[in-house]
Formats: sequence, structure tokens, C-alpha cells
Amino acid sequence: ELKVEQNPLFLSMQEGKNYTIYCNYSTTSDRLYWYRQDPGKSLESLFVLLSNGAVKQEGRLMASLDTKARLSTLHITAAVHDLSATYFCAVTVAGSARQLTFGSGTQLTVLP
Amino acid sequence: EAQVTQNPRYLITVTGKKLTVTCSQNMNHEYMSWYRQDPGLGLRQIYYSMNVEVTDKGDVPEGYKVSRKEKRNFPLILESPSPNQTSLYFCASSLGGLVEQFFGPGTRLTVL
Repeated sequence: ELKVEQNPLFLSMQEGKNYTIYCNYSTTSDRLYWYRQDPGKSLESLFVLLSNGAVKQEGRLMASLDTKARLSTLHITAAVHDLSATYFCAVTVAGSARQLTFGSGTQLTVLP
Repeated sequence: EAQVTQNPRYLITVTGKKLTVTCSQNMNHEYMSWYRQDPGLGLRQIYYSMNVEVTDKGDVPEGYKVSRKEKRNFPLILESPSPNQTSLYFCASSLGGLVEQFFGPGTRLTVL
């Protein structure tokens, strides 16, 4: 059974600081996704990482994937209040590109 | 406007009363999926469909049914709802291969 663990689950950080969210998964997978969810809202796709060593960046967010370590990171640079949200990683089951398993989410609060 | 729509958005019902939550997308996506979101558990996949008449179980299919008779629609059916199905439900769709998944606005279901 594929397990996906995120840490930390809760993160408060000050504006302007850097931080990293970690996503570990338990079995072989070659596709990893990051999503953002604002309170009371739906999910928004941020990144799709398809291969070992993949790195994608959008604004102050950068995601990377290490399939050998079964680890993805979401790095936040110089945080701003607008980044406050819950961030989820999700992984496909190896051999099936169709079934997604989500982590529990990281609730990020950026303080002024 | 490209979107995934769900109806109803909010529903309070009683144990055992059959209900259907509709999901429709206007992007001609092959892949559609249903998730439930519960506090501390992230999102868990209920069922997914890779195309018309092709459906498969996700992680938590018990107590749910789906059908995919048309490409744009993917209704979620609860034949005999129970209180443990109280949750926030999301429908999502994507082009084949899960490159980017678009989520609907969510349906908050309460079963008394």
C-alpha cells in the first residue's frame, strides 16, 4: 500500500523567510503532484513532476523530485502572506498512472 | 470558461436515503475522479474513470457507486448513505495521463 507523508503538518513562518515542505512516499512511483488549497476553496494544481531530478519553479515556489530517495520538496523563498494555504503532495501508484494517493497536507501560515 | 461543476454544493440528508452528486466538465477530458476530504486525512480517491464506460476503484470505494455513460459527466451515487460518509467531496478531471487535474468546487455532505 502506497503511503505518502508530508512534514511539517503545520507551519507558521514570517514574511521574507525561506522554508521547505517535505513529501515522502513509500513505494516506487514516477509521478508526483503538488496542489494548493485555500480555506473553504477547491484545489489548484501547482506542479507536476514526472522524472527523477525534475525541478519546477513558479514565483516563490520551487518543487523538486528525487525518485531514488522517494522524496519531493516544495521550497518557499521569501514568503509573503498570499502564500498562506494548505499544500498537498500526491503520488501515483507505480504501474498505474491513474490512481492518486495524497499526503495529509501542510497548513502554511505566513505572518506579517 | 473551462470548468468542473458539482451539484449540489451543500447537502444534508438522513441515513439510508439514496442520493446522487453530479459532476460535469466542459474540457473534453478523458479522465475523471472522485475524492473525499476529511480533516487530517488529506484527500482519498473513491473512484476514477479513464474514459466512457471505464471505471475503477480508488482507495475508499465502499458505499459508493459511479457511472460514466457520457464523457462529460461522472455522477457519484450513495445508495444508502451512512454518517461516516459525512465529508467534503471533490470531483476532478484531466486529459489522459493526469498531467494536470482540474478540481470542482466541492460538495459538503452531512448524513444524519
